[in-house]
Amino acid sequence: DAEITQSPRHKITETGRQVTLACHQTWNHNNMFWYRQDLGHGLRLIHYSYGVQDTNKGEVSDGYSVSRSNTEDLPLTLESAASSQTSVYFCASSGNNEQYFGPGTRLTVT
Amino acid sequence: QKEVEQNSGPLSVPEGAIASLNCTYSDRGSQSFFWYRQYSGKSPELIMFIYSNGDKEDGRFTAQLNKASQYVSLLIRDSQPSDSATYLCAVNKRGRDDKIIFGKGTRLHILP
Repeated sequence: DAEITQSPRHKITETGRQVTLACHQTWNHNNMFWYRQDLGHGLRLIHYSYGVQDTNKGEVSDGYSVSRSNTEDLPLTLESAASSQTSVYFCASSGNNEQYFGPGTRLTVT
Repeated sequence: QKEVEQNSGPLSVPEGAIASLNCTYSDRGSQSFFWYRQYSGKSPELIMFIYSNGDKEDGRFTAQLNKASQYVSLLIRDSQPSDSATYLCAVNKRGRDDKIIFGKGTRLHILP
């Protein structure tokens, strides 16, 4: 069955470190998204991609970057982790107007 | 004005009753509308989508869309304790397809 996986599921890191969260989908979807979810803010779009070599900034992109070298993967990099980036991160992909989410990564920046 | 607005709740509904969840959106050009269910500690799960004015039914769920009033609702009939979750309303904005904007969600609690 097609799916979206994220790794790691939990991560603790220190302020200032670079962190990469992986997202892999086997739906063969062109569209992929990264969200963060925080209490009181709901799901906020960080970056998104409509295909290989295409990346776009969402509403909360500062401090984050993505790259899309193939259809299946959209890794999210925190260049220099900050405590404000402690959150739950969800990757999603979409096709035929249906969007599916990965299981999430809980990131804690200390 | 927020792009997608929902009452945060919690909305408490007795088991077996109808739960009614509401959502308004600001962009008149929005074309597609979605309801996601999210259990605590889990990822959002798509349960309904609707594109046209009127009602769309799927089992115990009915989505209702009124584009003139910029209003979307989700009705859950015969509510069960397993329906207790946060329900996220989401909207496709005008322009590129598949960029979805989410509301903050409404917490629903079904009382046994």
